[in-house]
Amino acid sequence: GAGVSQSPSNKVTEKGKDVELRCDPISGHTALYWYRQSLGQGLEFLIYFQGNSAPDKSGLPSDRFSAERTGGSVSTLTIQRTQQEDSAVYLCASSPRDRARHEQFFGPGTRLTVL
Amino acid sequence: SQQGEEDPQALSIQEGENATMNCSYKTSINNLQWYRQNSGRGLVHLILIRSNEREKHSGRLRVTLDTSKKSSSLLITASRAADTASYFCATWGNTGKLIFGQGTTLQVKP
Repeated sequence: GAGVSQSPSNKVTEKGKDVELRCDPISGHTALYWYRQSLGQGLEFLIYFQGNSAPDKSGLPSDRFSAERTGGSVSTLTIQRTQQEDSAVYLCASSPRDRARHEQFFGPGTRLTVL
Repeated sequence: SQQGEEDPQALSIQEGENATMNCSYKTSINNLQWYRQNSGRGLVHLILIRSNEREKHSGRLRVTLDTSKKSSSLLITASRAADTASYFCATWGNTGKLIFGQGTTLQVKP
C-alpha cells in the first residue's frame, strides 16, 4: 500500500516568507508526528497528533511554527516569517494508534532552504 | 535536548566486516528502536528491543540493551555496500514520543 507522502520534496524560499509543508499519512493511521532534522543532526520532535485529542505542541521551537491536521488525516506544517535557521529537512511520520510506541512510518521529507 | 547519544559519529569499514554502533540514553525507557536513513531522507524502522529484553536478532542485525548502563548497541554482521546509511537509535519512555539520537554514519566500501 501507499506509504507516507510529503510535499513539496524541496522548497526554496526567501527569508521572511511563509511556507506550508504537507503530509499525507498512511490511511487509517491516527498518530502523526512532525520532526525537523538539521544537516548532519538527529531528529528534533516538533508536534504530535493522536486522533481527535489536543496535539502535543511541546516541540515547536517558536510561535512562528504551527500545524494542523484536517479530518484526522492530512497535516500541514506552517512556518511564518521564515529565518535562515529554519533550513532543514522536515519529516513526517505516522502510526496506528496502538502501535505508535512500536514503529513509526516516515515520509521522504521536505528539504527547506531559506535564503 | 536529545535523549540519545551515539558513537561513533562516523564509521567506515570494508564490505564483509562487522559494524558496531552504540547508543546511550538518559532516562527510563519502555523500548529502544533503531532506524536507518538513506541519503538524508525518510527513516526506516529496523528493530525494536523492549526494556525487559537484553538481546534481539533480525537477519544480520543484533541489538543489545543494558538498562543498568542505559546503553544499547547495534551490530551489523557481514556488511554490504547497501548498508551504507545513517543509523539512529530512538527511545520511547514516559514522554509519549520517540526521542532520537544524533546518529552514526556508516560507510561500507566495496
